[in-house]
Amino acid sequence: DIVMTQSPDSLAVSLGERATINCKSSQSVLDNSNNKNYLIWYQQKPGQPPKVLISWASSRESGVPDRFSGSGSGTDFTLTISSLQAEDVAVYYCQQYYGSPPWTFGQGTKVEIK
Amino acid sequence: EVQLVESGGGLVHPGGSLRLSCAASGLTFSGYWMNWVRQAPGKGLEWVATISSDGSQKYYVDSVKGRFTFSRDNTKNSLYLQMNSLRAEDTAVYYCARETRRRLDWWGQGTLVTVSS
Repeated sequence: DIVMTQSPDSLAVSLGERATINCKSSQSVLDNSNNKNYLIWYQQKPGQPPKVLISWASSRESGVPDRFSGSGSGTDFTLTISSLQAEDVAVYYCQQYYGSPPWTFGQGTKVEIK
Repeated sequence: EVQLVESGGGLVHPGGSLRLSCAASGLTFSGYWMNWVRQAPGKGLEWVATISSDGSQKYYVDSVKGRFTFSRDNTKNSLYLQMNSLRAEDTAVYYCARETRRRLDWWGQGTLVTVSS
């Protein structure tokens, strides 16, 4: 099974500052046949189900603010919030969707306001 | 708008059984693979199971294999998760989620399963 490891477990960032979350997979999630990384980022606010932010490692979902961006390839990925807003306080998860199940999640990164 | 509504959660003793349901609306249900994902209290997300659009393919996380059965009824736009031999570590909020283009793009609000004596 592919193990997903996020870092840090939590971070506190001042409003308007940049937040960076890393996600590392134990094996590549890049499909060389189509050059797609099967890596998803979700945001989960308290008391709510998760919401997709980024798919294919860097493709922002419709309606997601452009302060959210995803990057990386192969085994190393990053979610960046360029200018943290109060409404971005949440737990962020990466998930791999490579090959066949199990579809594993990272342990989550909690983002708070400093 | 897509709606996924889970039900059937509750308190059950270790070794007991529970059947979760997920009612879907606002989508062509039979066209989608569907998933169950769970979240233990205060913990992260864990994918539990996936079922193909016609129900012919099913996949489970190792920890529930042989105990949980995922099924669907496309005539009723419904999913079911039969959970047997429940353990304390199965305690979690269980979400059903739609899968589209290799991502879980729509989630229900979840139903809480508590396994305790």
